[in-house]
Amino acid sequence: DAKTTQPNSMESNEEEPVHLPCNHSTISGTDYIHWYRQLPSQGPEYVIHGLTSNVNNRMASLAIAEDRKSSTLILHRATLRDAAVYYCILREFKAAGNKLTFGGGTRVLVKP
Amino acid sequence: EAQVTQNPRYLITVTGKKLTVTCSQNMNHEYMSWYRQDPGLGLRQIYYSMNVEVTDKGDVPEGYKVSRKEKRNFPLILESPSPNQTSLYFCASSPGLAGDTDTQYFGPGTRLTVL
Repeated sequence: DAKTTQPNSMESNEEEPVHLPCNHSTISGTDYIHWYRQLPSQGPEYVIHGLTSNVNNRMASLAIAEDRKSSTLILHRATLRDAAVYYCILREFKAAGNKLTFGGGTRVLVKP
Repeated sequence: EAQVTQNPRYLITVTGKKLTVTCSQNMNHEYMSWYRQDPGLGLRQIYYSMNVEVTDKGDVPEGYKVSRKEKRNFPLILESPSPNQTSLYFCASSPGLAGDTDTQYFGPGTRLTVL
């Protein structure tokens, strides 16, 4: 999987939006952008994914830059339960071995 | 409820004593994987399986075996555990392989300590 770059940590206040950036300047045309998160003492959990267009689901929104070299995960109203490590991952269209390559991720702290 | 289950959740054992960590999914997924998570090293894939009786090595397969006799089960076997296999293990499954259909569902993890 191609490399992504994320800040190590971010802080937010409860009920405020959180914008998590991810840089992926070497993305290829068929790479999907996936986001997972890992809550304390749990396994990783799928959040959202996209290819070119912005995407929304019940958990978050994904904004993808026009040149696709960066993306932003948006948590619209952070809650204490959103405190986790968030991973931005590029997936090849047909990735061999079904492997997810997790980088360091961004640790999100939500303050009450 | 759609889920991936692992057993046991916690295990303390001694060097050389064979053990098996079970993994089961109820979503009829084709693909299953095992990962280990270590501080500073992130999650690394151990083995994966693309279908029944089809398995292959991931990035760190040494010291592990797997089998896929049924679609739903994918046990991880440590024939002779060593202390460097002390880690947090995750099983995952996904319905497809393409970048748009390969959302992975992870189990709750098994924390293994080998003394």
